[in-house]
Amino acid sequence: AQTVTQSQPEMSVQEAETVTLSCTYDTSESDYYLFWYKQPPSRQMILVIRQEAYKQQNATENRFSVNFQKAAKSFSLKISDSQLGDAAMYFCASASPTGNQFYFGTGTSLTVIP
Amino acid sequence: DTGVSQDPRHKITKRGQNVTFRCDPISEHNRLYWYRQTLGQGPEFLTYFQNEAQLEKSRLLSDRFSAERPKGSFSTLEIQRTEQGDSAMYLCASSYGRGLAGADTQYFGPGTRLTVL
Repeated sequence: AQTVTQSQPEMSVQEAETVTLSCTYDTSESDYYLFWYKQPPSRQMILVIRQEAYKQQNATENRFSVNFQKAAKSFSLKISDSQLGDAAMYFCASASPTGNQFYFGTGTSLTVIP
Repeated sequence: DTGVSQDPRHKITKRGQNVTFRCDPISEHNRLYWYRQTLGQGPEFLTYFQNEAQLEKSRLLSDRFSAERPKGSFSTLEIQRTEQGDSAMYLCASSYGRGLAGADTQYFGPGTRLTVL
């Protein structure tokens, strides 16, 4: 079984500043996938960024990047130049390669202060 | 691409009643997932279909829960003899992939919020 832990229930950031959301995971799988999903208030969950465990290079999507530390089983999300639209609940998740096991953390609620 | 849709969006029922939810995935998506999300928690994986085949069921999916995906299109999740502990948001997601499903981007629906009185 896999577990995903998000130790920051709430975070806040000033608009245009940078914020980092933390995530640790535990798995016995040798290969797996890691994700950050965003769930805006009363809106559908959408994928922010994905990392394949066998790739050492950290994934980047525009203002979003990850710091993937495989040995430490850490997968943090950095949001640069924060915007008001970034305010949401952010979930870290892991998946087994076959997709038959998918685990989410408890989420971090991000507030962006104008 | 109209996105993943779920029906109903809200359901209030009395304990002991049966309820059924429907999920319509994005057309051409061959994989479909059901999750349950309770307040303050992340989604919990319930079950996964590839086309019409149910490939995985979580231990969270007790005998009172059943899911189907006839013809590999829409899916239904039925809960029999509902209990107050079943109150939650039920999320559906779909994806398209030919390789390992774990790599897929899942597209989520808006969810069905179930309240059991």
